[in-house]
Amino acid sequence: KNQVEQSPQSLIILEGKNCTLQCNYTVSPFSNLRWYKQDTGRGPVSLTIMTFSENTKSNGRYTATLDADTKQSSLHITASQLSDSASYICVVSARGSQGNLIFGKGTKLSVKP
Amino acid sequence: NAGVTQTPKFRVLKTGQSMTLLCAQDMNHEYMYWYRQDPGMGLRLIHYSVGEGTTAKGEVPDGYNVSRLKKQNFLLGLESAAPSQTSVYFCASSLRVSGANVLTFGAGSRLTVL
Repeated sequence: KNQVEQSPQSLIILEGKNCTLQCNYTVSPFSNLRWYKQDTGRGPVSLTIMTFSENTKSNGRYTATLDADTKQSSLHITASQLSDSASYICVVSARGSQGNLIFGKGTKLSVKP
Repeated sequence: NAGVTQTPKFRVLKTGQSMTLLCAQDMNHEYMYWYRQDPGMGLRLIHYSVGEGTTAKGEVPDGYNVSRLKKQNFLLGLESAAPSQTSVYFCASSLRVSGANVLTFGAGSRLTVL
């Protein structure tokens, strides 16, 4: 069964610190992996998309990595800001899966002053 | 630059009532989707559309109907609401459905069924 597992479920860090969120997936055949940021009460917003051949992709202070062999991805946030407080969702697309993305449950990040 | 707009943002229904959620996008996207988001679960696809006049079932389609009469609009209907349909509903759109396409989401519609 295609699944996306994220860890930790929640995380509290101090402003200015770095953190890493994890995503493991069992989706096959793999097409691409996305990270979304969802602020409370808002819709998800895309941070990065990585295909099979991409190992890392950055978007400002966000850096995503992908290891297609071990089926793992991570999202690293550098020098966290209060505005980084949100849920971060890992989403995997299977090749040929018209219309269907597999969403993780998300990691809820709280950045405290 | 509106993107994806959902109406209404909040709605309370009684069991058995019907309602329609409207999604409108101004990006000329071909594909549109309806998801539901429940506590402790990832977003789940209800229905989607690959173009005007077309619709297809997603992972959890039961109890919902959809229509895509115009390219920019995607309607989600509940004919007889049930408490199990209490959820936050998100509409999304994209240029294409395959490959590394970016989904643009609306702000969500929170529905409570009593």
